[in-house]
Amino acid sequence: GQNIDQPTEMTATEGAIVQINCTYQTSGFNGLFWYQQHAGEAPTFLSYNVLDGLEEKGRFSSFLSRSKGYSYLLLKELQMKDSASYLCAGVDSNYQLIWGAGTKLIIKP
Amino acid sequence: GAVVSQHPSWVICKSGTSVKIECRSLDFQATTMFWYRQFPKQSLMLMATSNEGSKATYEQGVEKDKFLINHASLTLSTLTVTSAHPEDSSFYICSARVRDTEAFFGQGTRLTVV
Repeated sequence: GQNIDQPTEMTATEGAIVQINCTYQTSGFNGLFWYQQHAGEAPTFLSYNVLDGLEEKGRFSSFLSRSKGYSYLLLKELQMKDSASYLCAGVDSNYQLIWGAGTKLIIKP
Repeated sequence: GAVVSQHPSWVICKSGTSVKIECRSLDFQATTMFWYRQFPKQSLMLMATSNEGSKATYEQGVEKDKFLINHASLTLSTLTVTSAHPEDSSFYICSARVRDTEAFFGQGTRLTVV
């Protein structure tokens, strides 16, 4: 079956760095997305990886290892507004999105 | 990025009535639109996949006669919750994609059935 695993909840301190991991098992693989979702709002796009390696975009970076079925989202210089859920979604051979349950990130001052 | 507009943002309706939610891609043509439901503190649950001009494909456990989906054009899909009941109260979100690109989400609709 297809499955996306990510931690349910993480806590970090304002100004620090946090890494949110995601492991995936999909039928075929056509990339992996990370989305941010604030409570009561729709998800917003953060990143898309289809090749191995690290993609940096400002304070957020995303990494992919296809051989390990593994990705992480790295958030630097954490701000209080980064408190949100972070959703990992794999793209299968039919280009369908397989969603993880999301990681709730709590930022403390 | 591309813009997907979902309307209304929130709606309260009486039990037994029907509610229509619209999802529009404003600056691109969406070959596929998706409808999700999300209960508090839970992940997105895909309800159905809608392709323009054809019948929607519903996920297992989703009643197609209760959740009517119409994708009449490449820029508009609608979800109608028929004979709504309190257990249908949820956050409904649409998203649109052009082939294998990222999914662009609407703002979501919070439905409360009283």
